Amino acid sequence: AQSVTQLGSHVSVSEGALVLLRCNYSSSVPPYLFWYVQYPNQGLQLLLKYTSAATLVKGINGFEAEFKKSETSFHLTKPSAHMSDAAEYFCAVSDGNSGNTPLVFGKGTRLSVIA
Amino acid sequence: ETGVTQSPTHLIKTRGQQVTLRCSSQSGHNTVSWYQQALGQGPQFIFQYYREEENGRGNFPPRFSGLQFPNYSSELNVNALELDDSALYLCASSPPGNSPLHFGNGTRLTVT
Repeated sequence: AQSVTQLGSHVSVSEGALVLLRCNYSSSVPPYLFWYVQYPNQGLQLLLKYTSAATLVKGINGFEAEFKKSETSFHLTKPSAHMSDAAEYFCAVSDGNSGNTPLVFGKGTRLSVIA
Repeated sequence: ETGVTQSPTHLIKTRGQQVTLRCSSQSGHNTVSWYQQALGQGPQFIFQYYREEENGRGNFPPRFSGLQFPNYSSELNVNALELDDSALYLCASSPPGNSPLHFGNGTRLTVT
């Protein structure tokens, strides 16, 4: 069975500082990995996805993530945090890249950005 | 704007009652999935419909059921509501091919 573990339910950074949100996965097949963001009272928005084409994946809003098979990790980073980045972030794993393959989500990490 | 609209946005029901949640997807999105997001948790897959047939189901009991209609709308029905059914219910749709899911803003259900 596939699963993801997000380390840290809450991360707080200063505006302009590096953002690092951690995600480790477990999968018996080559995984497809995703990061989603959820703003208050909204649904999920896709930030980026790994589909085996490249290990460093660039997404929207300046975020990127690196797939490391040896560490079974897919951590999300952003060089400089903005106040608008404050939200809940979810890592997810799937065994397919299309919308008809169910996603297995982590419990989420709440990012706070301090002025 | 994802093009996925859910209604109602909020709903309060009593234990034992039945509820229907609705979702309207973009034209051409022939796959629709429903997820349950309990407070402080990540979304959990309930089930998926493709061309009006259920073609995948998560670890949810039969009292969770759904329908998908030819006009790209869908429903999630929950019978015999329990307190633990209180959650945000998310609908997501996608077109054919390797396209990601588009999520709606969800319906927050409170069971008292």
